[in-house]
Amino acid sequence: GAGVSQTPSNKVTEKGKYVELRCDPISGHTALYWYRQSLGQGPEFLIYFQGTGAADDSGLPNDRFFAVRPEGSVSTLKIQRTERGDSAVYLCASSYRTGAGGELFFGEGSRLTVL
Amino acid sequence: GQNIDQPTEMTATEGAIVQINCTYQTSGFNGLFWYQQHAGEAPTFLSYNVLDGLEEKGRFSSFLSRSKGYSYLLLKELQMKDSASYLCAVRDPRRANNLFFGTGTRLTVIP
Repeated sequence: GAGVSQTPSNKVTEKGKYVELRCDPISGHTALYWYRQSLGQGPEFLIYFQGTGAADDSGLPNDRFFAVRPEGSVSTLKIQRTERGDSAVYLCASSYRTGAGGELFFGEGSRLTVL
Repeated sequence: GQNIDQPTEMTATEGAIVQINCTYQTSGFNGLFWYQQHAGEAPTFLSYNVLDGLEEKGRFSSFLSRSKGYSYLLLKELQMKDSASYLCAVRDPRRANNLFFGTGTRLTVIP
């Protein structure tokens, strides 16, 4: 597609439920990033993929959060046993390269609300 | 670790010039990015600096001093549509070239 696509755009769930957020990056972009953004804050790093493997997953807050990118394109962020504190906008971004330059292109985000 | 600091909020007048500062302390450095984010929208790329000095792009310019761990974004001839959050981000080669963001500066342009 022309840009980074994220689905769903909005997700409301109950505490304790499982959610999946999907990201479809720009075609040909090998690097894919997940960030979480709370109101009035900058994007907080979660995990970064280079191809199919996680190059850096140190930002995942705990073992309830997991992300995959099995074929090096689409990625899914999975959150188990959701808590109210997980409510945020989850942003996905992709880039063609990660060396000098290599700007990130962001999707519109998935707004997660945990009741 | 990564520590990227920006002022939380700024206000400036339409037609004026505003400078948004960013200081950083990271384990490594491989470039600094500025992004613009309007409320409820995705961040969009504004500028990139990897060498010291000033990069100019129309009404927007960005400056970098690597020895001081300092950058600024300069916006000239402010327009009402420039009201947005401005995010400073640093690429760290010691973290697989990952990109880390500051908390952002919310700029309000007033008539």
